[in-house]
Amino acid sequence: GNSVTQMEGPVTLSEEAFLTINCTYTATGYPSLFWYVQYPGEGLQLLLKATKADDKGSNKGFEATYRKETTSFHLEKGSVQVSDSAVYFCALGEAAGNKLTFGGGTRVLVKP
Amino acid sequence: KAGVTQTPRYLIKTRGQQVTLSCSPISGHRSVSWYQQTPGQGLQFLFEYFSETQRNKGNFPGRFSGRQFSNSRSEMNVSTLELGDSALYLCASRDPLAGGLTTGELFFGEGSRLTVL
Repeated sequence: GNSVTQMEGPVTLSEEAFLTINCTYTATGYPSLFWYVQYPGEGLQLLLKATKADDKGSNKGFEATYRKETTSFHLEKGSVQVSDSAVYFCALGEAAGNKLTFGGGTRVLVKP
Repeated sequence: KAGVTQTPRYLIKTRGQQVTLSCSPISGHRSVSWYQQTPGQGLQFLFEYFSETQRNKGNFPGRFSGRQFSNSRSEMNVSTLELGDSALYLCASRDPLAGGLTTGELFFGEGSRLTVL
């Protein structure tokens, strides 16, 4: 079946540092890939997505590229802020419908 | 536009009881799905409903059930509660017309936190 593996946290960074969260997946077919973020006390919200190989998703300074050859979708941000402190989830979605397979989540803490 | 609304936000039950959780999707979203979030298992898909029909179901026992009403509101029920059912239950809605054949963006509610004693 489908699975998503992402690096375990917590990841602690200083403001303006570079952030990378690794994500690899196993899937049949051609899934869509997502990064969701969960801020403290809030529900999950979509950060970015990519629907086919070599697509790059971007939002709020975050980027991730769908790499089919390495089955990866690593999240990056060049300069983090305290407000980026959250839990980040990598996920893949099947061809249609709402079934997402999530990674375990990575907690990121950005210190001033 | 109001977001996904889940009620109740917090509840405490004892083993053997049953619980019903409610979800009101974003207006116009006819697709609703449910997820369970626990520290040990992470986020796991429970089921998905569209136009009052269950479209997909995750790997959970039959004690977990759900339904969707004609106004797209959804409920999930857990019977004969076990300690391991303690979790945050998240509802998400989607506009099936968005995203084409690929999984469109899901909009999540803040969840219902269930504690089983």
